[in-house]
Amino acid sequence: SAVISQKPSRDICQRGTSLTIQCQVDSQVTMMFWYRQQPGQSLTLIATANQGSEATYESGFVIDKFPISRPNLTFSTLTVSNMSPEDSSIYLCSVPGPRGGYTFGSGTRLTVV
Amino acid sequence: RKEVEQDPGPFNVPEGATVAFNCTYSNSASQSFFWYRQDCRKEPKLLMSVYSSGNEDGRFTAQLNRASQYISLLIRDSKLSDSATYLCVVNSRAGTALIFGKGTTLSVSS
Repeated sequence: SAVISQKPSRDICQRGTSLTIQCQVDSQVTMMFWYRQQPGQSLTLIATANQGSEATYESGFVIDKFPISRPNLTFSTLTVSNMSPEDSSIYLCSVPGPRGGYTFGSGTRLTVV
Repeated sequence: RKEVEQDPGPFNVPEGATVAFNCTYSNSASQSFFWYRQDCRKEPKLLMSVYSSGNEDGRFTAQLNRASQYISLLIRDSKLSDSATYLCVVNSRAGTALIFGKGTTLSVSS
């Protein structure tokens, strides 16, 4: 299955600032997904990142707040913009893997103060 | 109604116990079903896929009932290392995003 390198692993940020999270995959993948996991909650899909087109956002998530780039089939970034404490979460990228299972990056633990 | 519902637990069991987790899903068009395991402060990892005929992997048995839209996971002879959160996951179509339940927390004690 694919190996994903996700950076940074954690960060503490001031409110009002932005943080860009990167995911690098060791193989070419068509679809990449960005999830958020708030404390004590399960994973919620933020958006689907397609190479060569704009990301598709889920209800409750907007491009201005979570801009996504997908410049090629092995890389994507998610930016959390104008952060507030409510954005404190773990952010994870994911790609489809073999046997139908999906592989996840190791996550970015974000704390906004 | 949530798309994937699980009993959050926690399930606290002694080593060697058998424990069962249940899950229901709302989208009858769902095509793929999985159990993921998530350890504290780690990313989810695929435990096993779930097939209509039921499938077993060592101490773990997964079952799917499409008519009832119900998925189960049975863990036999629980080990301390089984302590984790178990996530029930469905997928409506290959290549699309996974939909996660909130997870069931298992704590196995000696």
